[in-house]
Amino acid sequence: AQRVTQPEKLLSVFKGAPVELKCNYSYSGSPELFWYVQYSRQRLQLLLRHISRESIKGFTADLNKGETSFHLKKPFAQEEDSAMYYCALSGQGAQKLVFGQGTRLTINP
Amino acid sequence: GAVVSQHPSWVICKSGTSVKIECRSLDFQATTMFWYRQFPKQSLMLMATSNEGSKATYEQGVEKDKFLINHASLTLSTLTVTSAHPEDSSFYICSARHPAPDSSGNTIYFGEGSWLTVV
Repeated sequence: AQRVTQPEKLLSVFKGAPVELKCNYSYSGSPELFWYVQYSRQRLQLLLRHISRESIKGFTADLNKGETSFHLKKPFAQEEDSAMYYCALSGQGAQKLVFGQGTRLTINP
Repeated sequence: GAVVSQHPSWVICKSGTSVKIECRSLDFQATTMFWYRQFPKQSLMLMATSNEGSKATYEQGVEKDKFLINHASLTLSTLTVTSAHPEDSSFYICSARHPAPDSSGNTIYFGEGSWLTVV
């Protein structure tokens, strides 16, 4: 079964501080992992995916198969990073996405 | 970029009535669309995968007779909540799979969501 766990419902950090949003997953095969972001009053949008290994808006995420984790990190948080963040998993060859519970990130000035 | 639009954005209906929510891919053809349900302050729960020209694939625990999905064209999928009850009140979100990945490899685009309130 596919499962994604985001242990923190809320996370609050000060501007300029590092931020890490945790994501752990459970999947027996080779998963594809994603981070989605939802800014206030906007639709869900893709932030990054582990396959692309890109840094988007200063965020990075590394897939750690040993720890079954895909934590999202940014060294210096900005106020515009305040949003809801969802970790998601897609099974190998599958089309559907399974989402974690989401973490609401608040960046304090 | 690819756009997925849902209509209506919000709807209020009486208990026992049926309500239809549309999901359209505005600038691309989508053979596959997905319907999610999101309760307040909770995650998105996949309800079903909508396949153009064939029956939808429902997730375990989702009543297919309650949540009717029709994907009659390559740009439109509809979710009909039949005999709605207050517990069906929720935020319903659709996504559509674009046939070609963008520069970052993404193929999934989400609609803006539809709020359903059953009174």
